[in-house]
Amino acid sequence: AQSVTQLGSHVSVSEGALVLLRCNYSSSVPPYLFWYVQYPNQGLQLLLKYTTGATLVKGINGFEAEFKKSETSFHLTKPSAHMSDAAEYFCAVSGPARDMRFGAGTRLTVKP
Amino acid sequence: DTAVSQTPKYLVTQMGNDKSIKCEQNLGHDTMYWYKQDSKKFLKIMFSYNNKELIINETVPNRFSPKSPDKAHLNLHINSLELGDSAVYFCASRGVGDEQFFGPGTRLTVL
Repeated sequence: AQSVTQLGSHVSVSEGALVLLRCNYSSSVPPYLFWYVQYPNQGLQLLLKYTTGATLVKGINGFEAEFKKSETSFHLTKPSAHMSDAAEYFCAVSGPARDMRFGAGTRLTVKP
Repeated sequence: DTAVSQTPKYLVTQMGNDKSIKCEQNLGHDTMYWYKQDSKKFLKIMFSYNNKELIINETVPNRFSPKSPDKAHLNLHINSLELGDSAVYFCASRGVGDEQFFGPGTRLTVL
């Protein structure tokens, strides 16, 4: 069965600093991997996804993630944090049954 | 145009009542889901339907019953509501490449 682990339930950065949110996955088959963002009182919005091909994936709002099979990781990064990036971020993996399993989420706080 | 919509957005009710949440998607997807998000933001899949057929039924009390009248709609009916049912419920539909599109959520509060 597939699963993801997000390291750090809460990450705090200063505006303009690098954002790094960590995600490790477990899957019995080549995984499809996703990052979603949830702003307060809203649903989840897709940031980016990896299916096959290029391992560095670019998403919306300046975010990107790199699929590293040897490390079973799919960390999310953004070079320069903006106040509007403050939200809850979820890593997810889709497996053979095509159902999606989510990590526990990481709350990103951006300090002025 | 809203891709995945849910009604109502907020639902406050007493213990023991029966309530329904409706979900509609206009994306033409075949597969739809219900998720429960608890107070710690943990997202748990409850049900999955593919073209009106139940595919996934996680360990959910049988007080919860999904109904899919057609592939664009997946409703959730909850009988005999309990305090522990208080959560945010999200509907989603699955597109190409397994990407899921989420509705805005329904915040259920059981008093």
